[in-house]
Amino acid sequence: NAGVTQTPKFQVLKTGQSMTLQCAQDMNHNSMYWYRQDPGMGLRLIYYSASEGTTDKGEVPNGYNVSRLNKREFSLRLESAAPSQTSVYFCAGGGGIASTDTQYFGPGTRLTVL
Amino acid sequence: GENVEQHPSTLSVQEGDSAVIKCTYSDSASNYFPWYKQELGKGPQLIIDIRSNVGEKKDQRIAVTLNKTAKHFSLHITETQPEDSAVYFCAASRETGRRALTFGSGTRLQVQP
Repeated sequence: NAGVTQTPKFQVLKTGQSMTLQCAQDMNHNSMYWYRQDPGMGLRLIYYSASEGTTDKGEVPNGYNVSRLNKREFSLRLESAAPSQTSVYFCAGGGGIASTDTQYFGPGTRLTVL
Repeated sequence: GENVEQHPSTLSVQEGDSAVIKCTYSDSASNYFPWYKQELGKGPQLIIDIRSNVGEKKDQRIAVTLNKTAKHFSLHITETQPEDSAVYFCAASRETGRRALTFGSGTRLQVQP
């Protein structure tokens, strides 16, 4: 039982390049989330998926797209990376279940855009 | 939308002392308040949470208190140990509708041995 896994752990991109961050959970959670973490700013929600087949924008969605491939997987895509997207990205699973809103986080992807 | 403010941004205590971190929130509909601990290079880990039908919750050396009228909640760590050193985040969310968490900006706790 790995919980929430993310790949890759580290990535360096040049401005304008594209890439997809992968996230998978084996905890049978209905909801999944993507956050970014910048120094001194806590975590900010990019996109979330309340259930398989649905996605919604969060606080900072510009420049990103997401795909909820199935219940386990939720990917984040940067179509044309910009230096402002240099950050640490965290995926979380959880919430959306009547009995709990607890969210469990993956280990993060550290992205640098040059 | 929700706004969560967290204080202090840094906190240094001596081993064995208590540490208190405070958060305020703006959305009166928020009713779930978790606290996360983040160690260097890792993802946030849930340490304790509280729902709005409860005023206080304890788990060994950590406790959380909630004042819904004043819209603030606090994390209390007693008998601090060096391994408590980390960044702590408070968060808030609703139980219905959009359940995504809104985070505070974090508190870096340093426990001096």
